[in-house]
Amino acid sequence: AQSVSQHNHHVILSEAASLELGCNYSYGGTVNLFWYVQYPGQHLQLLLKYFSGDPLVKGIKGFEAEFIKSKFSFNLRKPSVQWSDTAEYFCAVKTNAGKSTFGDGTTLTVKP
Amino acid sequence: KAGVTQTPRYLIKTRGQQVTLSCSPISGHRSVSWYQQTPGQGLQFLFEYFSETQRNKGNFPGRFSGRQFSNSRSEMNVSTLELGDSALYLCASSREAVSGNTIYFGEGSWLTVV
Repeated sequence: AQSVSQHNHHVILSEAASLELGCNYSYGGTVNLFWYVQYPGQHLQLLLKYFSGDPLVKGIKGFEAEFIKSKFSFNLRKPSVQWSDTAEYFCAVKTNAGKSTFGDGTTLTVKP
Repeated sequence: KAGVTQTPRYLIKTRGQQVTLSCSPISGHRSVSWYQQTPGQGLQFLFEYFSETQRNKGNFPGRFSGRQFSNSRSEMNVSTLELGDSALYLCASSREAVSGNTIYFGEGSWLTVV
């Protein structure tokens, strides 16, 4: 069975700091990878996704993620965070069988 | 177009009761999946339906069940409620039940069991 591990449970940054959230998965087959964000009081929404091709994918609001197959990782990055990026971030894996597995989430707090 | 709609948004039930939650997917989406979100356990996959058939199932007891109708709308049912079932139940839909399709989430149904 696949699993997803997000290493940081809570990250606190000041505005303009750089962000990197770790995500590792375990699954032997082909996967599609996602990052979702949940802003306070809102529902989960897609930040970015990787299906194939260029392992560096760009998403909304300046976020990007790099798929490193050899490391089974899909880390999320943003060069300069804003207060409005305060949210919970979830990494997810979806197998060819259609089953999705989410990480436990990382709460990001950006101090103004 | 309208997003994923879940009803009811909030409900309170007593231990031992049963509850049914409803989900209407985005128009044209045939795959519906359900998740339980709690502070301690995070997001956990419950089950996925496609064309009225359950395709995948998570590690939840048999008290948790679901179904999908011919119009792709889905319901999930929890019987003999326990305090630990208090959670946000999320429904998500995607166009097809293949890995390459993005899933879109509803706002969830907040269930409190007292």
